[in-house]
Amino acid sequence: DAGVTQSPTHLIKTRGQQVTLRCSPKSGHDTVSWYQQALGQGPQFIFQYYEEEERQRGNFPDRFSGHQFPNYSSELNVNALLLGDSALYLCASSLRRVAHYEQYFGPGTRLTVT
Amino acid sequence: EDKVVQSPLSLVVHEGDTVTLNCSYEVTNFRSLLWYKQEKKAPTFLFMLTSSGIEKKSGRLSSILDKKELFSILNITATQTGDSAIYLCAGRGGTSYGKLTFGQGTILTVHP
Repeated sequence: DAGVTQSPTHLIKTRGQQVTLRCSPKSGHDTVSWYQQALGQGPQFIFQYYEEEERQRGNFPDRFSGHQFPNYSSELNVNALLLGDSALYLCASSLRRVAHYEQYFGPGTRLTVT
Repeated sequence: EDKVVQSPLSLVVHEGDTVTLNCSYEVTNFRSLLWYKQEKKAPTFLFMLTSSGIEKKSGRLSSILDKKELFSILNITATQTGDSAIYLCAGRGGTSYGKLTFGQGTILTVHP
């Protein structure tokens, strides 16, 4: 049973560029959440997708957007990259209909903005 | 705004020692408190606590929640070098499937 997978593993971009990160949830999961983890910090919630809609959003600007596909996989898009966007981006999947279900995390995408 | 604070930020111990990691939280409409272990990249789930005073155990690890005082502790007994990792605490509020608010993490280093 495959866990949460993310691609790519590493990415280097230049300021002002745009980036798309991808996530496939654990088999059977229907909800995907995205987190940003800066060096030395805990993960910060970006947004959560369920039934192809953004259901909850953290304190991130509109440059951060996402999408969820019918097969539950998800994309995170970041426009007009800033140096401060350099971080580990984690995707977590869960099952919404089960109360208090834990979130399973993927290995993350390390984004470096130069 | 929800807030989770962990202490200490880092801890260095020797194999066989017992450690206690602390987590205090201020989470609106609190639902649950989760502990994760992060070794390289992906945080791996350890415990979820929803009820006060009930200890959760898994091998040498245990955790308990105090909803009155708004904190949780994670205990690790007879530490091993493989326990070296970042331990993250997260609070969930609002709904049982909502966002997690993480603390900064505690970096645990276990020397042989």
